[in-house]
Formats: sequence, structure tokens, C-alpha cells
Amino acid sequence: EPEVTQTPSHQVTQMGQEVILRCVPISNHLYFYWYRQILGQKVEFLVSFYNNEISEKSEIFDDQFSVERPDGSNFTLKIRSTKLEDSAMYFCASRGGGLAKNIQYFGAGTRLSVL
Amino acid sequence: GEDVEQSLFLSVREGDSSVINCTYTDSSSTYLYWYKQEPGAGLQLLTYIFSNMDMKQDQRLTVLLNKKDKHLSLRIADTQTGDSAIYFCAESRRNRDDKIIFGKGTRLHILP
Repeated sequence: EPEVTQTPSHQVTQMGQEVILRCVPISNHLYFYWYRQILGQKVEFLVSFYNNEISEKSEIFDDQFSVERPDGSNFTLKIRSTKLEDSAMYFCASRGGGLAKNIQYFGAGTRLSVL
Repeated sequence: GEDVEQSLFLSVREGDSSVINCTYTDSSSTYLYWYKQEPGAGLQLLTYIFSNMDMKQDQRLTVLLNKKDKHLSLRIADTQTGDSAIYFCAESRRNRDDKIIFGKGTRLHILP
């Protein structure tokens, strides 16, 4: 069964460093998303991406965040200068169209630890 | 506003039925979901229901939707130890660019 793949599973970084979280969405999907889950809290929407541009972003997704689809398979989330409060689990999701239009499939997540 | 509420903990004896409840505020919600998260793992879509449906059954899982009260429930029949996880209620709306709004999750604990 096709799945969304995220790498790395765990990323440790120093405060102020840049990190890039990588995702390979399901191959025929066109809509891509990032969510995050701070430990013990709910999963929060960060950004949606379609047709090579951001469709919607939340208040969390400030100028420190950016997304990119550099090629036909990868979808990345970059945090330019990490803060302690960026420590969280980051989930990538993707969806296709048709009858399963609104079904987003999630990856296993990348745990980001900012020290 | 957009909010999804659910109780944080539920303990159930193995073999009994588990019922996890959820309420949401957005009357325009189009899709309602249940996701399962096992320790250290990602979000697994268990089931979903369209807002024009009242019930959906899939093997041991039964989803009930009361749209008037904005209440969603997930019933797991014959609960097994492998059902131990956090269950997230979630909703999305087609014209809100389909971002998913999640509840805080209900941790299901199975008693022997």
C-alpha cells in the first residue's frame, strides 16, 4: 500500500540552526500538508501546498518557515532559525482527488528536538 | 470558531466495547475523521464519515454522527490490547481548503 515517507525520524539541532524536514508524498497525490504536534498537545495545521504554491497557512507558519517541492517527489519544510519552542513532531500529509478527495494520508512524522 | 473537543482518557476491559466521544463546533464541517496514534508512531486514518451520513460501520468500528448536536462517536467492539492508543477526532470543511482540525486525542487504556 502506498505511504507517505518522512526523513529523518528524529532530528536534533541547536537553537538558531536551520533544519530541513523531508517528505515523499504518495506518488499520484497533488495536495501536500505539514502539521505539527507539540508533546502532549493536539495536532496543529501549519501549511497546505498545491500547484507549487502555498494554499493556506496558519499563524504558526511565520517567516521562519518555508516549504518547497524541489522535484517531482519530495516536499520539504525548512525552519530557518530554530527556536526551543519549535521542538515537536512534524507530520507531512498528502491527498489525491476523486472520491477520496478529502482523505489525507499522514507520514510517521519527524521528531524535532531543539537544544 | 473551529474547535474539536474530546475526553482525554478512557479505560476499558479487554473484550468490552469502547466508546470514544467527540464534539465539534463548526456546523459547516464536511468530513469527520478518527485517527489512531500508537506510541512513537504516526497518524493512522481509522475511518471517516461524510456529514450527510448518520452511521458508518467497518468491521469492529462503528461511527455515529449526530449533526444536530455536533457529536461524533467511535465504538470499538471487542476491544483488544492492540487497540491501546490515542484516538484523535478531527474534521475538515471543503471550502476551508480542507485543512484538518484535530481534537487533543483520547488515550484508550485496556485493562486485562
